[in-house]
Amino acid sequence: EVQLLESGGGLVQPGGSLRLSCAASGFTFSGYGMSWVRQAPGKGLQWVSSINFSGGRTLYADSVKGRFTVSRDNSKNTLFLQMNSLRAEDTAVYYCAKVEVELGAFDYWGQGILVTVSS
Amino acid sequence: SYVLTQPPSVSVAPGKTARITCGGNNIGIKSVHWYQQMPGQAPVLVIYYDSDRPSGIPERFSGSNSGNTATLTVSRVEAGDEADYFCQVWDSSSDHYVFGTGTKVTVL
Repeated sequence: EVQLLESGGGLVQPGGSLRLSCAASGFTFSGYGMSWVRQAPGKGLQWVSSINFSGGRTLYADSVKGRFTVSRDNSKNTLFLQMNSLRAEDTAVYYCAKVEVELGAFDYWGQGILVTVSS
Repeated sequence: SYVLTQPPSVSVAPGKTARITCGGNNIGIKSVHWYQQMPGQAPVLVIYYDSDRPSGIPERFSGSNSGNTATLTVSRVEAGDEADYFCQVWDSSSDHYVFGTGTKVTVL
């Protein structure tokens, strides 16, 4: 059974940093791309970032490029999202998702983790 | 950037058919994926590559894509289908994934 479990969320002040983790199990993690998607309170889904199976290709939404960094540790089956220079508008539930094939659908999602940026 | 437009809401009576549209410029040449999100829960993939159903998704869910509109169709609607639905594509011109604005389906 595929499982994705996010951690590392919480309350952070504007300008601060946070590192999200996503622990994966139930599939061959090193064989699949992964993505981060966020959802602000009461709003729709917004794609944040994606990384290919090896970590050699990373992609970012314009709103986070230069501030967020996606990475992965295939030896530990873990996906990361380093978030710097956080803004109030980054407040959202962050989901990690497994990508079915490169540039394909997101076939499994974690339960999400809340990040609140506020003073 | 590429924009996907969905109606904010769709209402349907139990047993009837709900059709949720996703409009985008020449979306027919892209692969469209659809997600269902129940309140307080993570999204679930219900249709991928326009019309394929992942295992475990009822046959009542179907999809089509042509021209400037993709459509998710839910037949014989049940109370449990009440949720938000989002379409998604990969936009190769920007190297970005794009989600639609989302549609809230209400079962009357």
